[in-house]
Amino acid sequence: SQQGEEDPQALSIQEGENATMNCSYKTSINNLQWYRQNSGRGLVHLILIRSNEREKHSGRLRVTLDTSKKSSSLLITASRAADTASYFCATIEGYNTDKLIFGTGTRLQVFP
Amino acid sequence: NAGVMQNPRHLVRRRGQEARLRCSPMKGHSHVYWYRQLPEEGLKFMVYLQKENIIDESGMPKERFSAEFPKEGPSILRIQQVVRGDSAAYFCASSPNGLLASGGELFFGEGSRLTVL
Repeated sequence: SQQGEEDPQALSIQEGENATMNCSYKTSINNLQWYRQNSGRGLVHLILIRSNEREKHSGRLRVTLDTSKKSSSLLITASRAADTASYFCATIEGYNTDKLIFGTGTRLQVFP
Repeated sequence: NAGVMQNPRHLVRRRGQEARLRCSPMKGHSHVYWYRQLPEEGLKFMVYLQKENIIDESGMPKERFSAEFPKEGPSILRIQQVVRGDSAAYFCASSPNGLLASGGELFFGEGSRLTVL
């Protein structure tokens, strides 16, 4: 099953601009995570936000969570060419499982 | 302090052959997850294992696919009688414990890319 759906599917921006990616999910969650995947590589964990949190920061990353709308957003500020990658949100279905379900991803291209 | 190690990184098989993909989790991690990724798509959960136990295999195709995580050695994802549709990147991830619901993250390997001719 596909828990998260990212929007947009692809995003192209210039260096220095901000990039915003959105994720919607379907069921109740305990936490929501964001991962990054460089082309041809494995996924790397970026940030986790718990269901009782509304916003979280890590460096140039800002994540928000709206459990009433079942949505999250990832903002990358002052983007760099090295931020070019695919970004995925991931959630666990329900509370009694260890199955992390990934969204469809947003492909971000940052032009120098 | 090695991360999650997967091998082979690339594997080419002809239709009908068998593919074996190996995954060594991070040191101290006893929980392993396998995911499949088709080109330009997200990751699809396949199976979750602890040492010597399959915990959740709800994402595994019913036929030709099997997984194990023995007491000693790496986790193995085995695909028998491969077909072209099995061509994909297969990712392994590990965690120190299985309590993702309490806030754990997954640590991923670089993947094994299977091409079926």
